[in-house]
Amino acid sequence: DTAVSQTPKYLVTQMGNDKSIKCEQNLGHDTMYWYKQDSKKFLKIMFSYNNKELIINETVPNRFSPKSPDKAHLNLHINSLELGDSAVYFCASSLFRDPSYNEQFFGPGTRLTVL
Amino acid sequence: GQQVMQIPQYQHVQEGEDFTTYCNSSTTLSNIQWYKQRPGGHPVFLIQLVKSGEVKKQKRLTFQFGEAKKNSSLHITATQTTDVGTYFCAGRVGNQFYFGTGTSLTVIP
Repeated sequence: DTAVSQTPKYLVTQMGNDKSIKCEQNLGHDTMYWYKQDSKKFLKIMFSYNNKELIINETVPNRFSPKSPDKAHLNLHINSLELGDSAVYFCASSLFRDPSYNEQFFGPGTRLTVL
Repeated sequence: GQQVMQIPQYQHVQEGEDFTTYCNSSTTLSNIQWYKQRPGGHPVFLIQLVKSGEVKKQKRLTFQFGEAKKNSSLHITATQTTDVGTYFCAGRVGNQFYFGTGTSLTVIP
């Protein structure tokens, strides 16, 4: 059983389109995250949800909107995709809300390519 | 800008040689975590250090947290090809959580 799963694994789309990435965790964790990893492998936290409540919202364009229907799911919707959005997006989860004190479990990643 | 820097950015070693990556922050970290990401994979948690001057070992890996809690290191003794990947430190700087810039390790058989 995959602990943290993401779909799709690959996403290729045109500039200006809207797309969504889905994430699910079966670990019973309270907190979920979205990270962006760029071509230089820099890994940056974007959002964090704890029990469906947004608790971390870094400086991210408002074209990115996370949604958490329940604590096991965290989706990421991106509007009006731009070339600079091309990256690998990782979902992660942890038992408690503070990422700096909790082991995070990462999903396999979604490689987004914007043409 | 990047708050948590790692050096070197890349390291190539011959199998059997030792490897060290250094993690530096300009401000005090509450604690430090280390993750490993294999090529094409996702980050996997290795360890967490909390106390000033703390040293922890996991088989051939030795992790240290600096006395001032502004730096940390990961040392691998006698590298193996399975050690290939990018090693990230991570920690909280002020109210924000950062991953370090990463060190990519290549092990030449």
